[in-house]
Amino acid sequence: DGGITQSPKYLFRKEGQNVTLSCEQNLNHDAMYWYRQDPGQGLRLIYYSQIVNDFQKGDIAEGYSVSREKKESFPLTVTSAQKNPTAFYLCASSSASGGRTYNEQFFGPGTRLTVL
Amino acid sequence: AQSVSQHNHHVILSEAASLELGCNYSYGGTVNLFWYVQYPGQHLQLLLKYFSGDPLVKGIKGFEAEFIKSKFSFNLRKPSVQWSDTAEYFCAVSPNTGGFKTIFGAGTRLFVKA
Repeated sequence: DGGITQSPKYLFRKEGQNVTLSCEQNLNHDAMYWYRQDPGQGLRLIYYSQIVNDFQKGDIAEGYSVSREKKESFPLTVTSAQKNPTAFYLCASSSASGGRTYNEQFFGPGTRLTVL
Repeated sequence: AQSVSQHNHHVILSEAASLELGCNYSYGGTVNLFWYVQYPGQHLQLLLKYFSGDPLVKGIKGFEAEFIKSKFSFNLRKPSVQWSDTAEYFCAVSPNTGGFKTIFGAGTRLFVKA
């Protein structure tokens, strides 16, 4: 089955710890994204990557870091510098077909991070 | 800065009622427009999209949306909702400049009473 997988589904972290959220896609998509979803605020873009070894900050990148060493993988690290990390994190990907760089996005099931 | 506004945060309807969810965006250029839906416990998924052509687009499960360029709007409609339409709906806009991100609205939670 083609799709996006995220792990873990639930993650608990103590204050001061860095944690890494996994995102893998087998859709052969060029672009990948990380969003944070908070109640009443919709999806806010953390980072996005158009191609391997390249990524750009989104609207709320502070306290987060990413890497894109492989086309199918785009892990997100939530660092201790992120002041309010408890949230639901969504990973997505999209293709670049038809001359449009950003077509519809396909989403993973999400990771719920709770900081204790 | 580009933004997307969804007019209603919570909507409660009875089955068979008609639905219209408002969406307005702020961007002066050409855009790609989307509505995504998140059913309880499921992935966020595409409901419908507009790139060009007929401004009235039809999506899955009887939903449709109309792009009105002069009003910067892309409202979602369904003539008769069902209990299974209970979900959160997100409007999204992607400026068609290539290499740009998608901006999401805050979402509208729809609850349909059986």
